[in-house]
Amino acid sequence: EVQLVESGGGLVQPGGSLRLSCTASGFTVNDNYMSWVRQAPGKGLEWVSVIYSGDRTYYADSVKGRLTISRDNSKNTLYLQMSSLRPEDTAVYYCARVHKSPYYFDYWGQGTLVTVSS
Amino acid sequence: DIQMTQSPSSLSASVGERVTITCRASQSISSYLNWYQQKPGKAPKLLIYGASTLQGGVPSRFSGSGYGTEFTLTISSLHPEDFATYFCQQSYSTVVYTFGQGTKLEI
Repeated sequence: EVQLVESGGGLVQPGGSLRLSCTASGFTVNDNYMSWVRQAPGKGLEWVSVIYSGDRTYYADSVKGRLTISRDNSKNTLYLQMSSLRPEDTAVYYCARVHKSPYYFDYWGQGTLVTVSS
Repeated sequence: DIQMTQSPSSLSASVGERVTITCRASQSISSYLNWYQQKPGKAPKLLIYGASTLQGGVPSRFSGSGYGTEFTLTISSLHPEDFATYFCQQSYSTVVYTFGQGTKLEI
């Protein structure tokens, strides 16, 4: 059974850093495309980042240069390193598996809440 | 970037009614359009991909159509469990994925 479990969320001050993890079971992270999507309280879904084969990565303009997606094959885990955090980064962060061709997000984690506040 | 616009933003309906949600893309995206359902406090769930293909396990009362810039999600007869928020997403650009702003379907 495919499962994604996020962790690492919490309260952080503006300008601070945090690393989110997304541990997968039922499939191999390294063999798949993976993405992060966030949702601010009471708002819609915002795509954040994606990682493809060969570790090609892409980011939304709103997070470029501050958030970094990566993965650890040995731990079957996806990461989102977050730095220079801003209050507007406050959101539930979801990881999702990206089905290849056609592209769609077929499995999602339950989400982890990041709150950026002093 | 490709912009996705859903209408309406909210919709009130009753059990048994037929409802349609529209999603428009700022440029042609062929049939690279996906629909997700989200219930409060839960992760989004894939309903339809490729504009019209139902994900496994999704009831047949859900259907999708469209091509190019205009797409629709139709629920033929609302069930109580269908009251949720629905999002469209374009996957034509795989460099920047974009979601619509969502349509909240209320009783």
